[in-house]
This record gives sequence, structure tokens and C-alpha cells, in this order.
Amino acid sequence: NAGVTQTPKFQVLKTGQSMTLQCAQDMNHEYMSWYRQDPGMGLRLIHYSVGAGITDQGEVPNGYNVSRSTTEDFPLRLLSAAPSQTSVYFCASSSYFSGGADTQYFGPGTRLTVL
Amino acid sequence: QQPVQSPQAVILREGEDAVINCSSSKALYSVHWYRQKHGEAPVFLMILLKGGEQKGHEKISASFNEKKQQSSLYLTASQLSYSGTYFCGTVYGGSQGNLIFGKGTKLSVKP
Repeated sequence: NAGVTQTPKFQVLKTGQSMTLQCAQDMNHEYMSWYRQDPGMGLRLIHYSVGAGITDQGEVPNGYNVSRSTTEDFPLRLLSAAPSQTSVYFCASSSYFSGGADTQYFGPGTRLTVL
Repeated sequence: QQPVQSPQAVILREGEDAVINCSSSKALYSVHWYRQKHGEAPVFLMILLKGGEQKGHEKISASFNEKKQQSSLYLTASQLSYSGTYFCGTVYGGSQGNLIFGKGTKLSVKP
């Protein structure tokens, strides 16, 4: 099993550009989520999904879109990149039980710089 | 609403013990603990569920006080490999399992 994979590992964008961060998992997990990590702020939840076709907002959703057409994939779209979106982005997945997420498995991260 | 972790940072000598605390202002369904080394992804350590069930790491223990909405992570006889940033994540009742992380505690273990 590859676990959770993310592409690209590094990306530099100019302000106003759009792009999609890819995330895939091969563990048949129902629950997938995106976090951003900034120095001193911990990991903040952007969007999450509890299954194919179901997505919802987390703590800091503005400027980001998600969709979940398959169990395996959960891409994150930046609509119009801003310097404030410079961050490290982590995708995570877990099985889902009784309304409480199980062990979260994190991808290796994407380091994004917006100029 | 992010849980609050304390201390923000701690420096230990090999073999010393440490406690990291995590508190919430909202009722908790579960508490998760993760460790992240520099430049890497967070790695699962432990889950503590409401009602007392635990699952996780062999050499690291934790407690969960549901009434006080607090959890503590106990690192005993620390090793150099324990260095990293520790995050608690909280799942609130009715939140569909969303894991909300604290800001982290940086632990440095010196020889």
C-alpha cells in the first residue's frame, strides 16, 4: 500500500494563479481532509469529506474548493492564489466510526509558495 | 476552536520525563496525539476515547479527563528519538469526526 500520496511536493505560484493539489489514498478510507500548517499555528482544517460526493468546510475554508468524486481522491483547488496561502498543505485520511475519526494517516505534504 | 496546549516548548536531557497538556473549552468525544519531526508529516501516537478506551504507542502513555475536558501525554525516560513537535487533536461530539489540532509543543531531548 502506498498510503496517502500528494502531488506536487513543491510549488511556486504567482498571485492570482489557480492550481490543484492532488491527494490520493489506497486504504479505502471514508474520511479525508486537508490541513494547512503555518509556523506557530499548528495544523488547521481547511475542508473535509466523509465519503464520495460529500464535502464540508473546516476552520479555514476561504479561498479553497474541494470535491470528492471517488473514495480514493480528494483534490484541493486554489481558485486565485494569494500570498496568505503560502503554507505547507497536508492531506489526511482515516476510517470513520461512530462519528469519530480513527487514526489519521497523513500524506508527505505540499510546500506552496505564492509570490 | 483550537484546543490549548502547554507548555509551548520543553527541553529535556535523555532519561528525563515530560508531561504535555491539552485542554478544551468544549465537550470532547476523543483526543488524539501526534508527533511531527522537522520537515515530515505528523505521525499517529495515541487515541483516547470518551469512556476510557485507548489505543496507541507502547512507550508513551496518556490520560483523558472527560469532565475537565483535558488530556495529558506522559513521556517517560525520554530518548533522543522523542524530539519533535507534539500535537493534540480533539474531536468534538457531533462534529462528524473532524480533528482540530492545537498549536503544538516543541520537545527537544539533549544527550
